[in-house]
Amino acid sequence: QVTLRESGPALVKPTQTLTLTCTFSGFSLSTSGMCVSWIRQPPGKALEWLARIDWDDDKYYSTSLKTRLTISKDTSKNQVVLTMTNMDPVDTATYYCARRNWNLGYFDYWGQGTLVTVSS
Amino acid sequence: DIQMTQSPSSLSASVGDRVTITCQASQDISNYLNWYQQKPGKAPKLLIYDASNLETGVPSRFSGSGSGTDFTFTISSLQPEDIATYYCQQYDNLPTFGQGTKLEIK
Repeated sequence: QVTLRESGPALVKPTQTLTLTCTFSGFSLSTSGMCVSWIRQPPGKALEWLARIDWDDDKYYSTSLKTRLTISKDTSKNQVVLTMTNMDPVDTATYYCARRNWNLGYFDYWGQGTLVTVSS
Repeated sequence: DIQMTQSPSSLSASVGDRVTITCQASQDISNYLNWYQQKPGKAPKLLIYDASNLETGVPSRFSGSGSGTDFTFTISSLQPEDIATYYCQQYDNLPTFGQGTKLEIK
């Protein structure tokens, strides 16, 4: 059974760095073809893809946010970590991690999401 | 980045109605298009992948069609449990989502 769970602070201050962890089970990021993405959703707004890391450690970032994002993985812990620098109130959103198989284009399993509020 | 224009942004329909949502890509994406359903407070759920393939376990009243730049998502007979927001997503390049269609019961 595949599960993903996001964890991290619920509240961050403007200019701070956000660190989110996705802990998953039921698959391994050392398996060829496995990928994990981060996707966010501001309250009442649409989904926005942020970043992806692949089984071979290839990394991809949103064009508009790539200067602020870093994605990494710890295969032994079944975790993927996303950091986002210089947080702003417009970054207030629910942040999801989701699994994708490299040769398939869809996100088949999602975490429940974690709401991050940016406020002083 | 590829832009996805989804319409309408909201839709009110009666139980039993046929409902159609469209998604247009800013460039040719072949059939690299998925549809998700999102209920309030929940993560999105995959319904249709590769434009027209029904995900396992998803009711057959849901369907998708299209290729290139123009895609359609259809619910053949709206049920009360279908009340949700629906999103298209392309994966020809870095993934992008449409702006969503909020479906309500009339």
